[in-house]
Amino acid sequence: NAGVTQTPKFRVLKTGQSMTLLCAQDMNHEYMYWYRQDPGMGLRLIHYSVGEGTTAKGEVPDGYNVSRLKKQNFLLGLESAAPSQTSVYFCASRRAGTGMGEQYFGPGTRLTVT
Amino acid sequence: RKEVEQDPGPFNVPEGATVAFNCTYSNSASQSFFWYRQDCRKEPKLLMSVYSSGNEDGRFTAQLNRASQYISLLIRDSKLSDSATYLCAATTGNQFYFGTGTSLTVIP
Repeated sequence: NAGVTQTPKFRVLKTGQSMTLLCAQDMNHEYMYWYRQDPGMGLRLIHYSVGEGTTAKGEVPDGYNVSRLKKQNFLLGLESAAPSQTSVYFCASRRAGTGMGEQYFGPGTRLTVT
Repeated sequence: RKEVEQDPGPFNVPEGATVAFNCTYSNSASQSFFWYRQDCRKEPKLLMSVYSSGNEDGRFTAQLNRASQYISLLIRDSKLSDSATYLCAATTGNQFYFGTGTSLTVIP
């Protein structure tokens, strides 16, 4: 099992450009999450999904969109990148339900917006 | 107020020392609790879950105090390889809330 994978690992964008980050998991997990991690801010939830075709906003959703067309994939889109979106982005997945264990994280995508 | 708060440190301790980290959570409805370890430029990985009765895994002991709404992690006999950032997490509903992390450096 590959677990949780993220594509790409690194990216540099110019302000105003768009891009999509791909997260894939092969553990048949129902729940998937996108976080950003910034120094001193910890992990902040951007959007999450509790199943195929459903998404919900997290703590910092502005400037991002997501889609979950297939159970194993969760896409994070930046329509018009801004320097404030320079960050490390982590995807995570877990089984459904409360008390159902921990999140498994992907290796992260390092994004720089100039 | 953040859902989960922890002292960012840094903690610098000699090899063999015992070190404790605390974390407080604000939502009394939080259900599950975890400690994650994150190495530099890597993803967080689960260190251990935290159970109501407390639990131990080798040199690591986790405690939960629901009345005071805090969790703790105790590391005994610190090793150089324990140097990392430790994140606490609490779940409320479908969401995980993470602390900002506590940095630990074990010094030879």
